[in-house]
Amino acid sequence: EIVLTQSPATLTLSPGERVTLSCRASQSVSSKLAWYQQKPGQAPRLLIYDASKRATAIPARFSGSGSGTDFSLTISGLQPDDFAVYYCQHRNNWLGTFGGGTKVEVK
Amino acid sequence: QVQLVQSGAEVKKPGASVTVSCKASGFSLSDYYIHWIRQAPGRGLEWVGVINPRDGSSSSAPKLQGRLTVTRDTSAGTVYMHLRSLTSEDTAVYFCAKDIDTVTSFWFDPWGQGTLVTVSS
Repeated sequence: EIVLTQSPATLTLSPGERVTLSCRASQSVSSKLAWYQQKPGQAPRLLIYDASKRATAIPARFSGSGSGTDFSLTISGLQPDDFAVYYCQHRNNWLGTFGGGTKVEVK
Repeated sequence: QVQLVQSGAEVKKPGASVTVSCKASGFSLSDYYIHWIRQAPGRGLEWVGVINPRDGSSSSAPKLQGRLTVTRDTSAGTVYMHLRSLTSEDTAVYFCAKDIDTVTSFWFDPWGQGTLVTVSS
């Protein structure tokens, strides 16, 4: 089973800052990786799929990169609405696997 | 507008079963896979199962095999998740989510609002 490790667990930042979140897979997953945003009390929202494709209606400040085992989600200029928990996710052999999440909180 | 609306919170005793419904609108259940993902209180996300739109067959995460079944009523536009032999470990918010592709990609969008299932004696 492929394990996804997200780092760091928590980031404390100010609005306007650029942030890069990391997701590392225990073995190569090619480009089969997605990113989700979840705010307290809400369902997650798909941001990025296939490592770098933005989902419908996702602002251009969100971008994804990487392949193989190392992936990044970058937010170029944090907006107040972006403070949330971010999860990466992989699919393999009819099994979906999520990383443990990175919380982006306000400084 | 594509939307998934789930049934309300449930409280069950250990050993009981629970069924959570997920009503779809804006698309056909015959075209898209519907997945179920759960989140224990204060924890991360865990994929638990999926239903195939072509034939209505379902598959589940290995740790839940034998206890989880996903079914659908296409005419009613509703998918059902049925979980048996509940333990306290099953206490979680259960989400349904639509696959973004008709040939399953395992990317989930949109999601239902979530249903809290509490297992307690």
